[in-house]
Amino acid sequence: GAGVSQSPSNKVTEKGKDVELRCDPISGHTALYWYRQSLGQGLEFLIYFQGNSAPDKSGLPSDRFSAERTGGSVSTLTIQRTQQEDSAVYLCASSLERLAKNIQYFGAGTRLSVL
Amino acid sequence: DQQVKQNSPSLSVQEGRISILNCDYTNSMFDYFLWYKKYPAEGPTFLISISSIKDKNEDGRFTVFLNKSAKHLSLHIVPSQPGDSAVYFCAASASVDNYGQNFVFGPGTRLSVLP
Repeated sequence: GAGVSQSPSNKVTEKGKDVELRCDPISGHTALYWYRQSLGQGLEFLIYFQGNSAPDKSGLPSDRFSAERTGGSVSTLTIQRTQQEDSAVYLCASSLERLAKNIQYFGAGTRLSVL
Repeated sequence: DQQVKQNSPSLSVQEGRISILNCDYTNSMFDYFLWYKKYPAEGPTFLISISSIKDKNEDGRFTVFLNKSAKHLSLHIVPSQPGDSAVYFCAASASVDNYGQNFVFGPGTRLSVLP
């Protein structure tokens, strides 16, 4: 596709359930980023991938959060045993490479609601 | 501690007038700055950037000013249009060996341009 695609666009789940969020980056973009935006807050960095590897996992809020990327393309962010505080919009972005001046292109996000 | 601050959560401006959105940062290693615009239910989109070797960058109605000594940048929109109503995020990164830190985003300022 022409842009970054995220699915689902909305996800409602019960506390304690696991969820998977998917991101399809722009074709050819080697760098992929996950962010979270909680209500009234800015963008919180979670994790980035260069190719299939994730050198920087420092932003993941807890060990319930994990992410993987396969084939240098699609990435999945998994949240296990979801909690109400996980409710947020999860945004994925991609860029040509992980260089300081490379623009990140964002998807529309997945709005996660944990009841 | 927030490294990128946008102290005004919201701003209202009359159509045709100038909008000025402000951003302050604390990390002196930041040398590349971007502004993103976000409409509801969409991902942020890149608007304009500036490198620390410049103090001004202009693109049509949008101008970004950088004051390195004050660690302050601002986005000017003139003339403001109703379609400019959105949330504006300031972001910063540091070029370390050409592989920068991840972008650090501010909390955003919601701009409302009144007709």
